[in-house]
Amino acid sequence: DQQVKQNSPSLSVQEGRISILNCDYTNSMFDYFLWYKKYPAEGPTFLISISSIKDKNEDGRFTVFLNKSAKHLSLHIVPSQPGDSAVYFCAASGGNDYKLSFGAGTTVTVRA
Amino acid sequence: DVKVTQSSRYLVKRTGEKVFLECVQDMDHENMFWYRQDPGLGLRLIYFSYDVKMKEKGDIPEGYSVSREKKERFSLILESASTNQTSMYLCASRPHVVAGQYFGPGTRLTVT
Repeated sequence: DQQVKQNSPSLSVQEGRISILNCDYTNSMFDYFLWYKKYPAEGPTFLISISSIKDKNEDGRFTVFLNKSAKHLSLHIVPSQPGDSAVYFCAASGGNDYKLSFGAGTTVTVRA
Repeated sequence: DVKVTQSSRYLVKRTGEKVFLECVQDMDHENMFWYRQDPGLGLRLIYFSYDVKMKEKGDIPEGYSVSREKKERFSLILESASTNQTSMYLCASRPHVVAGQYFGPGTRLTVT
Protein backbone atom coordinates (compact mmCIF):
# COMPACT_ATOMS: atom_id res chain seq x y z
CA ASP A 1 0.00 0.00 0.00
CA GLN A 2 1.62 3.21 -1.18
CA GLN A 3 1.99 5.75 1.59
CA VAL A 4 3.06 8.49 -0.82
CA LYS A 5 0.87 9.20 -3.80
CA GLN A 6 1.39 11.32 -6.86
CA ASN A 7 -1.96 11.17 -8.59
CA SER A 8 -0.94 12.96 -11.76
CA PRO A 9 1.29 10.73 -13.89
CA SER A 10 2.07 13.55 -16.31
CA LEU A 11 2.06 17.33 -16.64
CA SER A 12 2.60 19.47 -19.72
CA VAL A 13 3.45 23.15 -19.30
CA GLN A 14 4.58 25.96 -21.55
CA GLU A 15 8.07 27.34 -21.14
CA GLY A 16 8.08 30.31 -18.78
CA ARG A 17 4.89 29.28 -16.98
CA ILE A 18 4.54 27.70 -13.55
CA SER A 19 4.67 23.92 -13.02
CA ILE A 20 2.82 22.64 -9.96
CA LEU A 21 3.38 19.06 -8.88
CA ASN A 22 1.29 17.54 -6.12
CA CYS A 23 1.93 14.81 -3.61
CA ASP A 24 -0.24 13.30 -0.86
CA TYR A 25 0.81 11.07 2.00
CA THR A 26 -1.04 8.89 4.46
CA ASN A 27 1.49 8.22 7.22
CA SER A 28 1.20 10.84 9.98
CA MET A 29 4.67 9.85 11.24
CA PHE A 30 6.34 11.31 8.17
CA ASP A 31 8.27 14.43 9.10
CA TYR A 32 10.75 14.92 6.28
CA PHE A 33 9.86 15.29 2.64
CA LEU A 34 11.99 15.43 -0.48
CA TRP A 35 11.62 15.92 -4.20
CA TYR A 36 13.85 14.14 -6.69
CA LYS A 37 14.25 14.73 -10.39
CA LYS A 38 15.11 11.95 -12.82
CA TYR A 39 16.19 12.09 -16.43
CA PRO A 40 15.98 8.95 -18.60
CA ALA A 41 18.91 6.55 -18.14
CA GLU A 42 20.14 8.46 -15.07
CA GLY A 43 19.63 8.03 -11.35
CA PRO A 44 17.36 10.45 -9.48
CA THR A 45 18.98 13.63 -8.19
CA PHE A 46 17.94 15.42 -5.04
CA LEU A 47 16.10 18.64 -5.73
CA ILE A 48 14.68 20.16 -2.57
CA SER A 49 13.42 19.07 0.84
CA ILE A 50 11.29 20.30 3.70
CA SER A 51 10.89 19.23 7.30
CA SER A 52 7.56 19.18 9.07
CA ILE A 53 8.46 22.18 11.23
CA LYS A 54 8.24 24.39 8.16
CA ASP A 55 5.49 25.00 5.64
CA LYS A 56 7.60 26.41 2.83
CA ASN A 57 11.11 26.03 1.51
CA GLU A 58 12.49 27.89 -1.46
CA ASP A 59 15.58 27.30 -3.56
CA GLY A 60 15.88 29.41 -6.66
CA ARG A 61 13.10 28.51 -9.08
CA PHE A 62 11.90 25.67 -6.86
CA THR A 63 9.55 26.04 -3.90
CA VAL A 64 8.04 23.25 -1.85
CA PHE A 65 4.91 23.84 0.22
CA LEU A 66 3.78 21.55 3.02
CA ASN A 67 0.24 21.37 4.40
CA LYS A 68 0.47 18.98 7.34
CA SER A 69 -3.21 19.04 8.20
CA ALA A 70 -4.08 17.96 4.66
CA LYS A 71 -1.07 15.63 4.41
CA HIS A 72 -0.24 17.31 1.16
CA LEU A 73 2.83 18.86 -0.38
CA SER A 74 3.47 20.53 -3.68
CA LEU A 75 6.46 21.56 -5.75
CA HIS A 76 6.31 24.80 -7.73
CA ILE A 77 8.75 25.48 -10.54
CA VAL A 78 8.79 29.07 -11.74
CA PRO A 79 9.56 29.79 -14.50
CA SER A 80 9.56 26.38 -16.16
CA GLN A 81 12.44 25.71 -18.54
CA PRO A 82 12.97 23.00 -21.18
CA GLY A 83 15.66 21.40 -18.99
CA ASP A 84 13.00 20.82 -16.33
CA SER A 85 11.44 18.11 -18.51
CA ALA A 86 11.96 14.99 -16.38
CA VAL A 87 10.22 12.63 -13.97
CA TYR A 88 9.73 14.10 -10.51
CA PHE A 89 9.43 11.85 -7.46
CA CYS A 90 8.06 12.87 -4.11
CA ALA A 91 9.52 11.01 -1.10
CA ALA A 92 8.97 10.99 2.65
CA SER A 93 10.47 9.58 5.81
CA GLY A 94 9.58 9.62 9.49
CA GLY A 95 11.56 9.94 12.72
CA ASN A 96 14.71 7.84 12.66
CA ASP A 97 13.43 5.57 9.93
CA TYR A 98 16.16 4.88 7.43
CA LYS A 99 13.68 4.29 4.67
CA LEU A 100 12.26 6.72 2.18
CA SER A 101 8.82 6.05 0.73
CA PHE A 102 8.51 7.24 -2.85
CA GLY A 103 5.54 8.21 -4.97
CA ALA A 104 5.04 6.82 -8.46
CA GLY A 105 6.40 9.94 -10.14
CA THR A 106 5.08 12.71 -12.37
CA THR A 107 6.50 13.20 -15.85
CA VAL A 108 6.85 16.89 -16.64
CA THR A 109 7.13 18.08 -20.23
CA VAL A 110 7.99 21.72 -20.81
CA ARG A 111 6.86 22.91 -24.26
CA ALA A 112 8.77 25.60 -26.10
CA ASP B 1 30.79 15.66 -5.25
CA VAL B 2 29.37 12.40 -4.02
CA LYS B 3 29.77 9.63 -6.50
CA VAL B 4 27.73 6.44 -6.52
CA THR B 5 28.69 4.01 -9.23
CA GLN B 6 27.00 0.83 -10.39
CA SER B 7 28.90 -1.94 -12.11
CA SER B 8 26.74 -2.18 -15.22
CA ARG B 9 24.34 0.15 -17.03
CA TYR B 10 22.66 -2.66 -18.98
CA LEU B 11 22.53 -6.35 -18.23
CA VAL B 12 20.76 -9.26 -19.92
CA LYS B 13 20.48 -12.54 -18.02
CA ARG B 14 18.65 -15.81 -18.47
CA THR B 15 15.98 -17.17 -16.14
CA GLY B 16 17.56 -19.12 -13.31
CA GLU B 17 20.94 -17.39 -13.45
CA LYS B 18 22.53 -15.91 -10.35
CA VAL B 19 22.98 -12.17 -10.85
CA PHE B 20 25.25 -9.79 -8.95
CA LEU B 21 24.71 -6.03 -9.05
CA GLU B 22 27.49 -4.00 -7.49
CA CYS B 23 27.33 -0.51 -6.05
CA VAL B 24 30.21 1.60 -4.76
CA GLN B 25 30.11 5.01 -3.08
CA ASP B 26 33.13 7.17 -2.42
CA MET B 27 31.94 9.45 0.40
CA ASP B 28 32.17 7.20 3.45
CA HIS B 29 28.38 7.08 3.83
CA GLU B 30 26.95 4.81 6.49
CA ASN B 31 23.65 4.04 4.81
CA MET B 32 23.19 2.32 1.46
CA PHE B 33 20.04 1.24 -0.36
CA TRP B 34 18.84 -0.84 -3.28
CA TYR B 35 15.63 0.10 -5.11
CA ARG B 36 13.87 -1.04 -8.21
CA GLN B 37 11.96 1.36 -10.41
CA ASP B 38 8.99 0.18 -12.43
CA PRO B 39 6.51 2.27 -14.45
CA GLY B 40 3.58 3.47 -12.36
CA LEU B 41 5.12 2.12 -9.14
CA GLY B 42 7.90 4.60 -8.49
CA LEU B 43 10.91 3.46 -6.49
CA ARG B 44 10.43 0.50 -4.21
CA LEU B 45 12.98 -0.38 -1.56
CA ILE B 46 14.44 -3.88 -1.78
CA TYR B 47 17.08 -3.84 0.97
CA PHE B 48 19.08 -1.31 2.89
CA SER B 49 22.17 -1.33 5.07
CA TYR B 50 22.85 1.15 7.85
CA ASP B 51 26.40 -0.05 8.46
CA VAL B 52 28.96 -2.61 7.40
CA LYS B 53 27.64 -6.18 7.66
CA MET B 54 24.22 -4.83 8.71
CA LYS B 55 21.19 -5.22 6.47
CA GLU B 56 17.46 -4.76 6.70
CA LYS B 57 14.67 -5.89 4.42
CA GLY B 58 12.83 -3.21 2.55
CA ASP B 59 9.35 -3.45 1.08
CA ILE B 60 10.02 -6.09 -1.59
CA PRO B 61 12.95 -8.32 -0.51
CA GLU B 62 11.62 -11.59 -1.91
CA GLY B 63 13.96 -13.13 -4.45
CA TYR B 64 16.86 -10.88 -3.47
CA SER B 65 19.73 -10.88 -0.99
CA VAL B 66 22.47 -8.37 -0.25
CA SER B 67 26.02 -8.19 0.99
CA ARG B 68 27.94 -5.36 2.63
CA GLU B 69 31.43 -6.49 3.59
CA LYS B 70 32.99 -3.05 3.18
CA LYS B 71 31.54 0.36 3.93
CA GLU B 72 31.81 1.61 0.36
CA ARG B 73 30.32 -1.41 -1.38
CA PHE B 74 26.77 -2.80 -1.33
CA SER B 75 25.89 -5.75 -3.55
CA LEU B 76 22.46 -6.93 -4.62
CA ILE B 77 22.13 -10.62 -5.47
CA LEU B 78 19.37 -12.29 -7.44
CA GLU B 79 19.74 -15.91 -6.39
CA SER B 80 17.75 -17.28 -9.34
CA ALA B 81 16.69 -14.58 -11.77
CA SER B 82 13.10 -14.57 -12.98
CA THR B 83 11.39 -12.56 -15.71
CA ASN B 84 9.45 -10.51 -13.13
CA GLN B 85 12.78 -9.17 -11.92
CA THR B 86 13.28 -7.33 -15.19
CA SER B 87 13.54 -3.75 -14.01
CA MET B 88 15.70 -0.69 -13.45
CA TYR B 89 17.80 -1.17 -10.30
CA LEU B 90 19.01 1.89 -8.44
CA CYS B 91 21.56 2.06 -5.68
CA ALA B 92 21.71 4.99 -3.25
CA SER B 93 23.73 6.11 -0.26
CA ARG B 94 23.47 8.80 2.41
CA PRO B 95 25.62 9.95 5.33
CA HIS B 96 23.02 9.98 8.13
CA VAL B 97 19.34 9.62 8.77
CA VAL B 98 17.99 13.05 7.90
CA ALA B 99 19.65 13.67 4.56
CA GLY B 100 18.83 13.22 0.94
CA GLN B 101 19.98 10.03 -0.72
CA TYR B 102 22.50 10.10 -3.55
CA PHE B 103 21.69 7.76 -6.40
CA GLY B 104 23.79 5.86 -8.88
CA PRO B 105 22.95 5.88 -12.61
CA GLY B 106 20.99 2.64 -12.44
CA THR B 107 21.27 -0.80 -14.01
CA ARG B 108 18.67 -1.83 -16.54
CA LEU B 109 18.33 -5.58 -16.03
CA THR B 110 16.47 -7.74 -18.51
CA VAL B 111 15.78 -11.37 -17.62
CA THR B 112 14.78 -13.53 -20.59
